[in-house]
Amino acid sequence: LAKTTQPISMDSYEGQEVNITCSHNNIATNDYITWYQQFPSQGPRFIIQGYKTKVTNEVASLFIPADRKSSTLSLPRVSLSDTAVYYCLVGDHSGNTPLVFGKGTRLSVIA
Amino acid sequence: EAGVTQFPSHSVIEKGQTVTLRCDPISGHDNLYWYRRVMGKEIKFLLHFVKESKQDESGMPNNRFLAERTGGTYSTLKVQPAELEDSGVYFCASSQADRYQETQYFGPGTRLLVL
Repeated sequence: LAKTTQPISMDSYEGQEVNITCSHNNIATNDYITWYQQFPSQGPRFIIQGYKTKVTNEVASLFIPADRKSSTLSLPRVSLSDTAVYYCLVGDHSGNTPLVFGKGTRLSVIA
Repeated sequence: EAGVTQFPSHSVIEKGQTVTLRCDPISGHDNLYWYRRVMGKEIKFLLHFVKESKQDESGMPNNRFLAERTGGTYSTLKVQPAELEDSGVYFCASSQADRYQETQYFGPGTRLLVL
């Protein structure tokens, strides 16, 4: 399984765009990149998933360069409610395979 | 649509006692997973059910842990006897079986404290 490296923590003011980069140098051809969000006292929640280039949904954008050795989760105009831990996962995350979590990035949004 | 539910939300027991955690997956989800995070560590996979069958139990720490999913609906995870190092948050997740790259939906977790 590809190992991921991401910042331990980040702070941001409300209204700013936040970019969290994840390194995954050993990503395999069949691997997808998936981001989960976890609020305090809750289970992780799927945010976005991608294989290459750019993916955007109502919550975030995911940028993946051509070599796929890293990826960047972009949260536009964060609010206080975006304070959470964000996990970058890399693997063949089909519906029947376990997820492998790292330490995640703790994002704190301040007013 | 109801999400994944877990019971209880918190449990405090003494070392040597038995505790049973319950998970109700999203209706229609054949895949059910158990994960846990012990204090200061990452979330770790425990086991995976497809319907009532154990697909992968490679993450189960030892034979004090017993998971069941009779009838392929809800699942229970029993810890007997509980040890101090079993303290942590136990998460359950579910997903559909027939959709590639289907995401997993997590419950809120059960916080277990063994004294």
